[in-house]
Amino acid sequence: DTEVTQTPKHLVMGMTNKKSLKCEQHMGHRAMYWYKQKAKKPPELMFVYSYEKLSINESVPSRFSPECPNSSLLNLHLHALQPEDSALYLCASSQDLGGGYSSGNTIYFGEGSWLTVV
Amino acid sequence: AQSVAQPEDQVNVAEGNPLTVKCTYSVSGNPYLFWYVQYPNRGLQFLLKYITGDNLVKGSYGFEAEFNKSQTSFHLKKPSALVSDSALYFCAVRDVYGDSNYQLIWGAGTKLIIKP
Repeated sequence: DTEVTQTPKHLVMGMTNKKSLKCEQHMGHRAMYWYKQKAKKPPELMFVYSYEKLSINESVPSRFSPECPNSSLLNLHLHALQPEDSALYLCASSQDLGGGYSSGNTIYFGEGSWLTVV
Repeated sequence: AQSVAQPEDQVNVAEGNPLTVKCTYSVSGNPYLFWYVQYPNRGLQFLLKYITGDNLVKGSYGFEAEFNKSQTSFHLKKPSALVSDSALYFCAVRDVYGDSNYQLIWGAGTKLIIKP
């Protein structure tokens, strides 16, 4: 069973709404990730936090705004989304960011939040 | 360019038969290799990984994978398939010392269908 917990499981929002996705892990991991996944496609990396600081932003539009309140929590704030943003949003975590042997650290995923933008 | 190939979009296997899901990779340095499974309407679950050592690695649910450096492959196998193994399988690789070593490079995924 995954130890990365995501809420809500499903979210429907209008293009003018503001909503947030939440993620929590209690494995003591210091790297946390947001991925976007379209149906039957591999996940696409959006953001990476390392030790609560934003390390990687994969050129994600500003309508997606990540936040890491503490080492266990990761949020993704959503505003003025487009229908094409509808997807499964996956949170993940790993011991640390990687590099050298640490690149072997497993990235553990949550069950995801299904987002529909109408 | 670094890449991962899963040459089969779909693999069909009869229950009880052995299964293989293929993965080949191209990275400039040393690879760390991973397999993940995604059941319908679920998140990604880690199955197994190769870091170093024995080329045959064992993972969850009876799966195993063999790292072959000369063929740059990391095929996923199971001796006897179950209907419950039906899912989408992703191979992924990390270049140990590459500039983007934080990044998992993903294959396109293979849909595994186990028929009773």
